[in-house]
Amino acid sequence: AQSVTQPDIHITVSEGASLELRCNYSYGATPYLFWYVQSPGQGLQLLLKYFSGDTLVQGIKGFEAEFKRSQSSFNLRKPSVHWSDAAEYFCAFDSNNDMRFGAGTRLTVKP
Amino acid sequence: DGGITQSPKYLFRKEGQNVTLSCEQNLNHDAMYWYRQDPGQGLRLIYYSQIVNDFQKGDIAEGYSVSREKKESFPLTVTSAQKNPTAFYLCASGRVDRGGRYGYTFGSGTRLTVV
Repeated sequence: AQSVTQPDIHITVSEGASLELRCNYSYGATPYLFWYVQSPGQGLQLLLKYFSGDTLVQGIKGFEAEFKRSQSSFNLRKPSVHWSDAAEYFCAFDSNNDMRFGAGTRLTVKP
Repeated sequence: DGGITQSPKYLFRKEGQNVTLSCEQNLNHDAMYWYRQDPGQGLRLIYYSQIVNDFQKGDIAEGYSVSREKKESFPLTVTSAQKNPTAFYLCASGRVDRGGRYGYTFGSGTRLTVV
């Protein structure tokens, strides 16, 4: 079955530390992959997307993600986390105008 | 500026009542979507529409209804048949293309509570 998994429900990092959020997908071919961010009580904002070409994609707010076909992964990274990055992050894929979301990873940033 | 507007931001429903959540977009997107969000469950698709006067059920359509009379509008009605409607509801829109490469634009959500 087509699905996307975010193994970490909650992650806490210190401000200034690096961040990596994990995402794995299950699909027969290479889907279109996305990362969204959601602040409390708000909608989702698109951080970045991958659909072909360079496997390292850059997004907004200093985020990047790397597509690894061999591992069926699309992990989100940021070299130095800011307190304003505290939010919930969703990985998603779209195979035919049908977006599927992971359960989300909540990020807490310690001062 | 283009975007999606959801209203109201907060909505309270009494037992047995139908309520309608509004979603309007001015992005000229063909497709519109309704998702339900519960803690720890991500987003689950309720209904979607890729063209005016046509819509399809998603994974959890029972107890909900929609209409798509205009390209800009995709209202969601939560009927009395939905036994557990308390949740955060998100509307999204997107371009219809081969494969879905563009991603969606989301509204800011409506929090529905049963009282």
